[in-house]
Amino acid sequence: DAGVTQSPTHLIKTRGQQVTLRCSPKSGHDTVSWYQQALGQGPQFIFQYYEEEERQRGNFPDRFSGHQFPNYSSELNVNALLLGDSALYLCASSRWSSANYGYTFGSGTRLTVV
Amino acid sequence: AQSVTQPDIHITVSEGASLELRCNYSYGATPYLFWYVQSPGQGLQLLLKYFSGDTLVQGIKGFEAEFKRSQSSFNLRKPSVHWSDAAEYFCAEGWGKLQFGAGTQVVVTP
Repeated sequence: DAGVTQSPTHLIKTRGQQVTLRCSPKSGHDTVSWYQQALGQGPQFIFQYYEEEERQRGNFPDRFSGHQFPNYSSELNVNALLLGDSALYLCASSRWSSANYGYTFGSGTRLTVV
Repeated sequence: AQSVTQPDIHITVSEGASLELRCNYSYGATPYLFWYVQSPGQGLQLLLKYFSGDTLVQGIKGFEAEFKRSQSSFNLRKPSVHWSDAAEYFCAEGWGKLQFGAGTQVVVTP
């Protein structure tokens, strides 16, 4: 049973560019959440998607946007990249009906902005 | 605002010794609490969770945690650490949207 799959694993972008990160949730999960983990810090909640709608959002600017597809997979888009966007981006999936009975995290995408 | 505090940034422990990692939360009602472990370059693995009921929670890999409402704490313990327990540990609180602490780096010496 595959867990959460994220792609790509590593990415280098130039300041001002746009990036798209992808996440496939664990089988049986219908909710996807995204977190940003800067070096040496705990993950910070970006937003959560369920039924293709953004359900909750953390304290991140509009440059961060997302999408969820009918197959429950999700994308995180970041526009106008800043050096400070360099981080590990983690995707977590769960079941909406039991959101806190198990978040399964992917291994993340390491984004470096130069 | 809700917050989670892990007072210890870094802990060094000898293999075979006991380990306790501290976590304090600030949330008025009954919190939903979690401990996760992260190995270098990896995602987060859930060790254990507390929602209600018995305040002593057993998790995977021999870890346990105790919820103490009077102290707003949810400390993680392991009686005897193994070299493979070297990792970063995160305490988190929340429903749907998790609030994480800054993490505690655990180093295990021979």
